[in-house]
Amino acid sequence: SAVISQKPSRDICQRGTSLTIQCQVDSQVTMMFWYRQQPGQSLTLIATANQGSEATYESGFVIDKFPISRPNLTFSTLTVSNMSPEDSSIYLCSVERGNYNEQFFGPGTRLTVL
Amino acid sequence: QKEVEQNSGPLSVPEGAIASLNCTYSDRGSQSFFWYRQYSGKSPELIMFIYSNGDKEDGRFTAQLNKASQYVSLLIRDSQPSDSATYLCAVRTGKLIFGQGTELSVKP
Repeated sequence: SAVISQKPSRDICQRGTSLTIQCQVDSQVTMMFWYRQQPGQSLTLIATANQGSEATYESGFVIDKFPISRPNLTFSTLTVSNMSPEDSSIYLCSVERGNYNEQFFGPGTRLTVL
Repeated sequence: QKEVEQNSGPLSVPEGAIASLNCTYSDRGSQSFFWYRQYSGKSPELIMFIYSNGDKEDGRFTAQLNKASQYVSLLIRDSQPSDSATYLCAVRTGKLIFGQGTELSVKP
């Protein structure tokens, strides 16, 4: 498995502001993933972050709204920019380990936008 | 058609019974299949994965895969109230695609 921490664990933010979420892994990994889980929904991949290159965004997600940094092999940040109530979700980071690239998740950041 | 489909439930079983959770997928090129358990307010936890046809057992959990039918299932034997959670099926077709999840309730 993997030991993954995220900060903050939860936050309540005002419309129009931005929040940066941090993800720290216990050992080096090539790729880190950012997901969103809206209330009562399943997980949707936002982007894949590789160290030393631009993140790869999934359809429906853009860099201006969700800028990602990956400064080293154990750390990544996701910023949710110019927030609206529709951005209220749980944001999760994950990493892959093992022979079959099993994916392991951090504890998540619960974001509420008022 | 959704890429990964699960019945949303809730699926209710009595304590000690077998819970059967099902998942179908659309991409025949899918290579590996994962089951996650998610307790309310928590993040998903990987409990099983399978990559070849047949059964794979781990304790009270058995994952079953039938690639011809594009079907994967999770059986939980001797269900306990602590098994009450949402179970997410995930399929790797390049990236990992998640189903909507099935809510399981085990009644004492």
